[in-house]
Amino acid sequence: GNSVTQMEGPVTLSEEAFLTINCTYTATGYPSLFWYVQYPGEGLQLLLKATKADDKGSNKGFEATYRKETTSFHLEKGSVQVSDSAVYFCALAEYGNKLVFGAGTILRVKS
Amino acid sequence: GAVVSQHPSWVICKSGTSVKIECRSLDFQATTMFWYRQFPKQSLMLMATSNEGSKATYEQGVEKDKFLINHASLTLSTLTVTSAHPEDSSFYICSARVAGEGDTQYFGPGTRLTVL
Repeated sequence: GNSVTQMEGPVTLSEEAFLTINCTYTATGYPSLFWYVQYPGEGLQLLLKATKADDKGSNKGFEATYRKETTSFHLEKGSVQVSDSAVYFCALAEYGNKLVFGAGTILRVKS
Repeated sequence: GAVVSQHPSWVICKSGTSVKIECRSLDFQATTMFWYRQFPKQSLMLMATSNEGSKATYEQGVEKDKFLINHASLTLSTLTVTSAHPEDSSFYICSARVAGEGDTQYFGPGTRLTVL
């Protein structure tokens, strides 16, 4: 079946550091890939998505590229802020099917 | 972007009572909505898929008689936790798919249920 694997956290960075959160997936077909962010006590917010190979999703300085050859969708940001502290979930879905989530990665950014 | 709301944002109830949680799509029509449960420091667990005008599809291990889902309109789905017990305490989150956006789901802010 489909699955998503994320790097374990927590990831602790200083403000303005470079961020990478690794995400790899297993899927039978050609899924859409997503990154969601969850702030404490809140629901999930869609951060970015990509629907086909080599697509790059980007939003608020975050970006991720759909790499079919490595089955990866790593999240990156060039300079993190304290306000980026949250839990980040990588997820996939194939047409008409449910979202499959990774375990989530806690990001802590120190000032 | 698509906005999904939930009500209430938190609720405390006594053991044995029933609690209803509403999920609304505010600026779009949602033919499909989803209900998730999240335990502290864990990922989301899909409970059921709710399609407007038809019965919900429950995931394996989820008691459909305990977690009643109704999707009576294109903008509203409700989850009723019947005869709640302390082990039902959790964070419940709904989401909805938007027509034309494929598999993208937009999530509500969640409802914190505490059963005493």
